Amino acid sequence: DAKTTQPTSMDCAEGRAANLPCNHSTISGNEYVYWYRQIHSQGPQYIIHGLKNNETNEMASLIITEDRKSSTLILPHATLRDTAVYYCIVRVLNRDDKIIFGKGTRLHILP
Amino acid sequence: KAGVTQTPRYLIKTRGQQVTLSCSPISGHRSVSWYQQTPGQGLQFLFEYFSETQRNKGNFPGRFSGRQFSNSRSEMNVSTLELGDSALYLCASSRGSGVTDTQYFGPGTRLTVL
Repeated sequence: DAKTTQPTSMDCAEGRAANLPCNHSTISGNEYVYWYRQIHSQGPQYIIHGLKNNETNEMASLIITEDRKSSTLILPHATLRDTAVYYCIVRVLNRDDKIIFGKGTRLHILP
Repeated sequence: KAGVTQTPRYLIKTRGQQVTLSCSPISGHRSVSWYQQTPGQGLQFLFEYFSETQRNKGNFPGRFSGRQFSNSRSEMNVSTLELGDSALYLCASSRGSGVTDTQYFGPGTRLTVL
């Protein structure tokens, strides 16, 4: 089972900031939070990841709460090309050491 | 740097046949993971290879198998195809297999089983 919960879908106006929430209340101390997105019929694209500090790159910002039980991906100026399914993933450190994907959030950017 | 490539991009097979999918990782990457994506299920982990050895395996039947070559290229094989095997099969590569090794995905192979 996925260790994260995300809203099924969200809308955001073009040019505005898109804030995508993710809950990972059972995250362990040494597990990272990763975000990927998947545009229709393409492979998932890496966006950003973090452990406990906020992170920013050319695509997005990642805000992780102090207790690490939730995080928010921020796309600062959403464009129509940002319409995709966004996956929040906690890298599971068990003996299988595999990534478990949940259902993700379908983000619609409205013109 | 070239990304992850997968061949073929599209494939149509019939029940009972077998299929082999290929994945070429990013140059310098030694870990290759395979995922199955079906409508409504999200991505499900199949297996991971690192330095020609299978490190991890998901909950899929033995009809699903894979291997990795010395150049890190990987193949996935599905025998005795079933209708439910119709899916997008994704390959992801990373430099290593640790938690901080970011995975980069290929475009996928869309398999349709008739």
